[in-house]
Order: sequence, then structure tokens, then C-alpha cells
Amino acid sequence: AQTVTQSQPEMSVQEAETVTLSCTYDTSESDYYLFWYKQPPSRQMILVIRQEAYKQQNATENRFSVNFQKAAKSFSLKISDSQLGDAAMYFCAYRSAQGGSEKLVFGKGTKLTVNP
Amino acid sequence: GAGVSQSPSNKVTEKGKDVELRCDPISGHTALYWYRQSLGQGLEFLIYFQGNSAPDKSGLPSDRFSAERTGGSVSTLTIQRTQQEDSAVYLCASSPRRASSYNEQFFGPGTRLTVL
Repeated sequence: AQTVTQSQPEMSVQEAETVTLSCTYDTSESDYYLFWYKQPPSRQMILVIRQEAYKQQNATENRFSVNFQKAAKSFSLKISDSQLGDAAMYFCAYRSAQGGSEKLVFGKGTKLTVNP
Repeated sequence: GAGVSQSPSNKVTEKGKDVELRCDPISGHTALYWYRQSLGQGLEFLIYFQGNSAPDKSGLPSDRFSAERTGGSVSTLTIQRTQQEDSAVYLCASSPRRASSYNEQFFGPGTRLTVL
């Protein structure tokens, strides 16, 4: 079974600075997807960024980028120019690409605080 | 357009009572998922529906939990004889089914269940 580990229960960053959230995963599959979701206090899970395992290029979405290291099974999220609205829980998630159930396997999350 | 909606937003019940949680997916989405978010446990997959296929029930924690999806749209998660450990936020998600897509899951705001 696949597992996802987020080793930082909490992180903080100053507004306008950069922060990196860590995520590692364990799988024997070669093809899969990785995601970062943001969950503000409203509980609404919002997709931040995704990465297909077969793509070597790291995904980027505006201020959000990932460092995907397939051999190391690492998938960190970098937030640049942090804003107050970035404060939330961030979840790393894994999904198999081998068909069947498309369930997401989540890490336990990292609570990000942005200080003004 | 409308997103995934869930009702009720909050539910307080007494131990031993049955509860029903409802999810309305995005129109046209053929896949529907239920997850449970417990304090300290992160998000756990419960059940997955895809069109007319048999659901993946592998995440249901006990036979007190069941779910159905009527007409390929609305889904109801039922918990019988609730226990205090069932207290959690129950999240529903839906996704379109495109063969070549990573099939992003769109989440609802969740139902917070409190069992007294």
C-alpha cells in the first residue's frame, strides 16, 4: 500500500518570503500522480498543484512550484512571495495511475502560518 | 457553475443513533468519493463510485458504514449506531471521467459530525 509522509506538522513564514513544505511517499508503482491541496479554515480543499510522475519537469503554478525527485520519492512544495491568504493546512496526496479506484492517499498535513 | 455541495454542514448526534450525510456532486461528474478527516489522522479514503461500476468500498472502517449513489448523482453516506470515534469531518469529492486526464477531484465543504 502507498503511504505519504509530511514530516512538518507546522511551519511559519514571513509575508513576502519563501517557504518549502516537505513530502515523501512510498510506492512500488512507476506511474502515478502527486498533488498538493490547500485547506483553509473554511474546510474547502483546493488543488494547488499537480505532478505526473512520468514528467521530469517540475510543475509550476504562479507562486507555487514543486521539487519532484522520483528516485528519492520526494515531492516538496515551494511557496514564493508568501501572502497572508496562503495560511492554511497543506496536504500532499498520491494517486495511482494504474486504473481502478482513483482514491487519493493523503499525508497528515502541514499547518502553514504566514506572519505579517 | 455550482461546486460540490454537502449537507448538513454540521451534525451533532447521540451515541447509538444513525446519521445520513448527503453529497451533491458537480453536474456531469461520473466519479464520486467519500473521505473522512479525523483530528490527528489526516484524510482517509472511505468509498469510491464510478458510473455504473461496483463501488470500491475498501476504505469503509466497519459494517456500520454504508453509502449509496442514486441515479449516478447524489450520494448518501450512512453511519449506523454511531460511536464517539466516528466524530470527524466527512468530505465528498467528485471528478469527471476523461480517459487521458489525471481527473482532478473537486471537494465539497464537508460535514462536521460530532457524536456525543
